Amino acid sequence: DTEVTQTPKHLVMGMTNKKSLKCEQHMGHRAMYWYKQKAKKPPELMFVYSYEKLSINESVPSRFSPECPNSSLLNLHLHALQPEDSALYLCASSRGSGGTDTQYFGPGTRLTVL
Amino acid sequence: GENVEQHPSTLSVQEGDSAVIKCTYSDSASNYFPWYKQELGKRPQLIIDIRSNVGEKKDQRIAVTLNKTAKHFSLHITETQPEDSAVYFCAASTTGGGADGLTFGKGTHLIIQP
Repeated sequence: DTEVTQTPKHLVMGMTNKKSLKCEQHMGHRAMYWYKQKAKKPPELMFVYSYEKLSINESVPSRFSPECPNSSLLNLHLHALQPEDSALYLCASSRGSGGTDTQYFGPGTRLTVL
Repeated sequence: GENVEQHPSTLSVQEGDSAVIKCTYSDSASNYFPWYKQELGKRPQLIIDIRSNVGEKKDQRIAVTLNKTAKHFSLHITETQPEDSAVYFCAASTTGGGADGLTFGKGTHLIIQP
């Protein structure tokens, strides 16, 4: 299995809602990532988990809260988002934590904040 | 932090011709340079990557070259086909002793004219 899966595919939420995005991989990878991609822009790194510990947080607002329950799962909890947070949220994973391992992307969750 | 510049932003070539996309990076410590292809509405897919101990790598119609002294790397696609039409992103990663996310260029929209 060489795939990263993400649920849901689409999510529409109001600014007062709380929702979660989920990511799963079964490749035995030990590093997982969240990226945000706005339309016609490149992916931007949000968080990096290495061996289930948060190793990089790119100054993301606290309304985004990552969680790594185990080595196969990565969640992104959303609360009190703004319309400008509407974007494609991509999860990725890589085998190791050395920075030179290939990152494999999931299909993304397209988030719309009303 | 790392900064990656990518040119051109749009590239239109005749089917069968070659396409070249160029990127420069700022952090001399970067040592991993992947290229991703992203079709509309889909996830970024790795097409080729190169590590700093290699100057050139080829995979069928796709090749990547790296010049660490000048801090630039390029993607070469030969004998272009309609299915090569997509947005291509270069990226760079730095090994900082832990898992690193990728810093992406702004992307090149490649259009293959029949």
